Amino acid sequence: GIQVEQSPPDLILQEGANSTLRCNFSDSVNNLQWFHQNPWGQLINLFYIPSGTKQNGRLSATTVATERYSLLYISSSQTTDSGVYFCAVEEPAGGTSYGKLTFGQGTILTVHP
Amino acid sequence: EPEVTQTPSHQVTQMGQEVILRCVPISNHLYFYWYRQILGQKVEFLVSFYNNEISEKSEIFDDQFSVERPDGSNFTLKIRSTKLEDSAMYFCASGWFGEQYFGPGTRLTVT
Repeated sequence: GIQVEQSPPDLILQEGANSTLRCNFSDSVNNLQWFHQNPWGQLINLFYIPSGTKQNGRLSATTVATERYSLLYISSSQTTDSGVYFCAVEEPAGGTSYGKLTFGQGTILTVHP
Repeated sequence: EPEVTQTPSHQVTQMGQEVILRCVPISNHLYFYWYRQILGQKVEFLVSFYNNEISEKSEIFDDQFSVERPDGSNFTLKIRSTKLEDSAMYFCASGWFGEQYFGPGTRLTVT
Protein backbone atom coordinates (compact mmCIF):
# COMPACT_ATOMS: atom_id res chain seq x y z
CA GLY A 1 0.00 0.00 0.00
CA ILE A 2 0.88 3.66 -0.16
CA GLN A 3 3.43 5.05 2.29
CA VAL A 4 2.95 8.44 3.95
CA GLU A 5 5.85 10.08 5.75
CA GLN A 6 5.64 13.28 7.74
CA SER A 7 8.44 15.48 8.95
CA PRO A 8 9.55 16.62 11.37
CA PRO A 9 8.16 14.18 13.95
CA ASP A 10 8.33 16.83 16.68
CA LEU A 11 8.45 20.61 16.54
CA ILE A 12 8.76 23.07 19.40
CA LEU A 13 8.13 26.76 18.76
CA GLN A 14 7.81 30.02 20.60
CA GLU A 15 4.52 31.84 20.12
CA GLY A 16 4.68 34.02 17.04
CA ALA A 17 7.07 31.82 15.09
CA ASN A 18 6.34 30.35 11.65
CA SER A 19 6.66 26.69 10.70
CA THR A 20 6.44 24.32 7.76
CA LEU A 21 5.30 20.72 8.05
CA ARG A 22 5.94 18.28 5.23
CA CYS A 23 4.10 15.20 3.96
CA ASN A 24 5.64 12.87 1.38
CA PHE A 25 3.66 10.06 -0.23
CA SER A 26 4.87 7.16 -2.31
CA ASP A 27 2.29 6.97 -5.10
CA SER A 28 -0.40 8.90 -6.96
CA VAL A 29 -3.35 10.00 -4.84
CA ASN A 30 -6.93 11.10 -5.45
CA ASN A 31 -7.20 13.11 -2.29
CA LEU A 32 -5.02 14.63 0.41
CA GLN A 33 -6.25 16.07 3.66
CA TRP A 34 -4.56 17.79 6.59
CA PHE A 35 -5.97 17.39 10.09
CA HIS A 36 -5.23 18.87 13.48
CA GLN A 37 -5.76 16.54 16.43
CA ASN A 38 -6.47 18.65 19.48
CA PRO A 39 -5.68 17.69 23.09
CA TRP A 40 -9.14 16.10 23.43
CA GLY A 41 -8.37 13.76 20.54
CA GLN A 42 -10.69 15.32 18.00
CA LEU A 43 -9.59 15.35 14.35
CA ILE A 44 -10.26 18.77 12.90
CA ASN A 45 -10.29 19.16 9.11
CA LEU A 46 -7.81 21.79 8.03
CA PHE A 47 -7.54 21.34 4.28
CA TYR A 48 -8.81 19.14 1.49
CA ILE A 49 -6.04 19.72 -1.03
CA PRO A 50 -5.34 17.06 -3.69
CA SER A 51 -3.39 19.71 -5.62
CA GLY A 52 -2.64 23.42 -5.62
CA THR A 53 -2.56 25.94 -2.78
CA LYS A 54 -5.18 26.97 -0.25
CA GLN A 55 -5.18 29.44 2.61
CA ASN A 56 -7.32 29.72 5.71
CA GLY A 57 -6.30 32.50 8.05
CA ARG A 58 -2.82 31.84 9.44
CA LEU A 59 -2.69 28.40 7.83
CA SER A 60 -1.97 27.56 4.25
CA ALA A 61 -1.21 24.36 2.37
CA THR A 62 0.35 23.42 -0.92
CA THR A 63 0.25 20.04 -2.64
CA VAL A 64 2.51 19.24 -5.58
CA ALA A 65 0.90 16.01 -6.74
CA THR A 66 3.42 15.36 -9.52
CA GLU A 67 6.26 15.40 -6.98
CA ARG A 68 4.25 13.58 -4.31
CA TYR A 69 4.45 15.98 -1.43
CA SER A 70 2.37 18.48 0.48
CA LEU A 71 3.36 21.30 2.82
CA LEU A 72 1.40 22.87 5.67
CA TYR A 73 2.45 26.38 6.69
CA ILE A 74 1.58 27.83 10.07
CA SER A 75 2.32 31.52 10.51
CA SER A 76 2.40 33.53 13.74
CA SER A 77 1.84 30.39 15.78
CA GLN A 78 -0.31 30.48 18.92
CA THR A 79 -0.43 28.14 21.91
CA THR A 80 -3.79 26.86 20.65
CA ASP A 81 -2.01 25.52 17.56
CA SER A 82 -0.40 22.86 19.73
CA GLY A 83 -1.37 19.28 19.00
CA VAL A 84 -0.69 16.66 16.37
CA TYR A 85 -0.92 17.44 12.66
CA PHE A 86 -1.76 14.55 10.38
CA CYS A 87 -1.56 14.25 6.64
CA ALA A 88 -3.80 11.60 5.07
CA VAL A 89 -4.07 10.44 1.48
CA GLU A 90 -6.60 8.50 -0.53
CA GLU A 91 -5.34 6.09 -3.16
CA PRO A 92 -7.29 5.78 -6.41
CA ALA A 93 -10.07 3.23 -5.96
CA GLY A 94 -12.08 1.38 -8.59
CA GLY A 95 -15.02 2.93 -10.36
CA THR A 96 -16.73 5.82 -8.60
CA SER A 97 -15.85 4.65 -5.12
CA TYR A 98 -14.04 6.90 -2.67
CA GLY A 99 -11.51 4.91 -0.75
CA LYS A 100 -9.85 4.84 2.62
CA LEU A 101 -7.51 7.46 3.96
CA THR A 102 -3.98 6.37 4.83
CA PHE A 103 -2.52 8.53 7.58
CA GLY A 104 1.03 9.56 8.27
CA GLN A 105 2.56 9.26 11.72
CA GLY A 106 1.92 12.92 12.43
CA THR A 107 3.94 15.92 13.56
CA ILE A 108 3.65 16.81 17.24
CA LEU A 109 3.66 20.61 17.52
CA THR A 110 4.21 22.35 20.83
CA VAL A 111 3.90 26.13 20.96
CA HIS A 112 5.22 27.80 24.10
CA PRO A 113 3.96 31.21 25.26
CA GLU B 1 -22.45 23.59 10.15
CA PRO B 2 -23.34 19.88 9.88
CA GLU B 3 -21.09 17.51 11.74
CA VAL B 4 -20.59 13.83 12.41
CA THR B 5 -21.65 12.79 15.90
CA GLN B 6 -20.64 9.70 17.87
CA THR B 7 -21.94 8.04 21.02
CA PRO B 8 -20.83 7.24 23.62
CA SER B 9 -17.79 9.46 24.03
CA HIS B 10 -16.20 6.91 26.33
CA GLN B 11 -17.01 3.23 26.81
CA VAL B 12 -15.46 0.91 29.38
CA THR B 13 -16.09 -2.80 28.92
CA GLN B 14 -14.75 -6.10 30.14
CA MET B 15 -12.83 -8.46 27.90
CA GLY B 16 -15.17 -10.78 26.02
CA GLN B 17 -18.13 -8.40 26.10
CA GLU B 18 -19.88 -7.04 23.01
CA VAL B 19 -19.88 -3.33 22.33
CA ILE B 20 -21.73 -1.21 19.80
CA LEU B 21 -20.35 2.16 18.82
CA ARG B 22 -22.80 4.55 17.21
CA CYS B 23 -22.37 7.29 14.66
CA VAL B 24 -24.67 9.73 12.92
CA PRO B 25 -22.99 10.81 9.65
CA ILE B 26 -23.66 14.09 7.90
CA SER B 27 -27.08 13.72 6.34
CA ASN B 28 -26.35 14.05 2.61
CA HIS B 29 -23.13 12.03 2.64
CA LEU B 30 -22.96 8.71 0.85
CA TYR B 31 -19.70 7.17 2.05
CA PHE B 32 -19.10 6.03 5.59
CA TYR B 33 -15.95 4.86 7.35
CA TRP B 34 -14.61 3.60 10.66
CA TYR B 35 -11.03 4.22 11.76
CA ARG B 36 -9.24 3.59 15.01
CA GLN B 37 -6.26 5.10 16.80
CA ILE B 38 -4.37 3.21 19.49
CA LEU B 39 -2.96 5.64 22.03
CA GLY B 40 0.13 7.41 20.70
CA GLN B 41 -0.12 5.87 17.24
CA LYS B 42 -1.43 6.95 13.89
CA VAL B 43 -5.01 6.63 12.70
CA GLU B 44 -5.76 3.30 10.97
CA PHE B 45 -8.53 2.44 8.54
CA LEU B 46 -10.98 -0.30 9.53
CA VAL B 47 -13.82 -0.38 7.01
CA SER B 48 -15.68 1.65 4.40
CA PHE B 49 -19.37 1.39 3.57
CA TYR B 50 -21.27 2.57 0.51
CA ASN B 51 -24.65 1.75 -0.95
CA ASN B 52 -25.52 -0.42 2.05
CA GLU B 53 -22.56 -2.71 1.79
CA ILE B 54 -18.91 -2.91 2.79
CA SER B 55 -16.73 -1.55 0.00
CA GLU B 56 -13.35 -2.20 1.63
CA LYS B 57 -12.03 -3.56 4.90
CA SER B 58 -8.59 -3.78 6.46
CA GLU B 59 -6.82 -6.79 7.95
CA ILE B 60 -7.82 -5.48 11.39
CA PHE B 61 -11.51 -5.83 10.51
CA ASP B 62 -11.85 -9.54 11.20
CA ASP B 63 -14.93 -11.64 12.02
CA GLN B 64 -15.23 -9.98 15.43
CA PHE B 65 -16.21 -6.72 13.76
CA SER B 66 -19.37 -5.82 11.87
CA VAL B 67 -20.99 -2.65 10.60
CA GLU B 68 -24.59 -1.72 9.99
CA ARG B 69 -26.63 1.16 8.74
CA PRO B 70 -29.91 0.15 10.35
CA ASP B 71 -31.85 3.21 9.26
CA GLY B 72 -31.32 6.36 7.22
CA SER B 73 -29.25 8.13 9.83
CA ASN B 74 -27.23 5.78 12.06
CA PHE B 75 -24.04 3.87 11.27
CA THR B 76 -22.81 1.37 13.85
CA LEU B 77 -19.66 -0.61 14.55
CA LYS B 78 -20.06 -3.78 16.61
CA ILE B 79 -17.23 -5.67 18.27
CA ARG B 80 -18.57 -9.07 19.28
CA SER B 81 -16.03 -10.22 21.85
CA THR B 82 -13.69 -7.45 22.89
CA LYS B 83 -9.99 -8.04 23.54
CA LEU B 84 -7.53 -5.93 25.49
CA GLU B 85 -5.89 -4.87 22.24
CA ASP B 86 -9.19 -3.37 21.01
CA SER B 87 -8.66 -0.49 23.44
CA ALA B 88 -8.40 2.57 21.22
CA MET B 89 -10.15 5.70 20.01
CA TYR B 90 -12.67 4.79 17.30
CA PHE B 91 -13.54 7.44 14.74
CA CYS B 92 -16.48 7.46 12.38
CA ALA B 93 -16.18 9.49 9.20
CA SER B 94 -18.50 10.35 6.36
CA GLY B 95 -17.62 11.55 2.92
CA TRP B 96 -18.93 13.70 0.12
CA PHE B 97 -17.09 13.24 -3.17
CA GLY B 98 -13.68 12.65 -1.64
CA GLU B 99 -13.38 14.82 1.45
CA GLN B 100 -13.95 12.94 4.68
CA TYR B 101 -15.28 14.49 7.88
CA PHE B 102 -14.53 12.87 11.21
CA GLY B 103 -16.60 12.57 14.33
CA PRO B 104 -15.20 13.34 17.79
CA GLY B 105 -14.46 9.68 18.48
CA THR B 106 -15.40 7.05 21.05
CA ARG B 107 -12.66 6.08 23.47
CA LEU B 108 -13.02 2.34 24.12
CA THR B 109 -11.28 0.89 27.14
CA VAL B 110 -11.25 -2.89 27.52
CA THR B 111 -10.34 -4.17 30.99
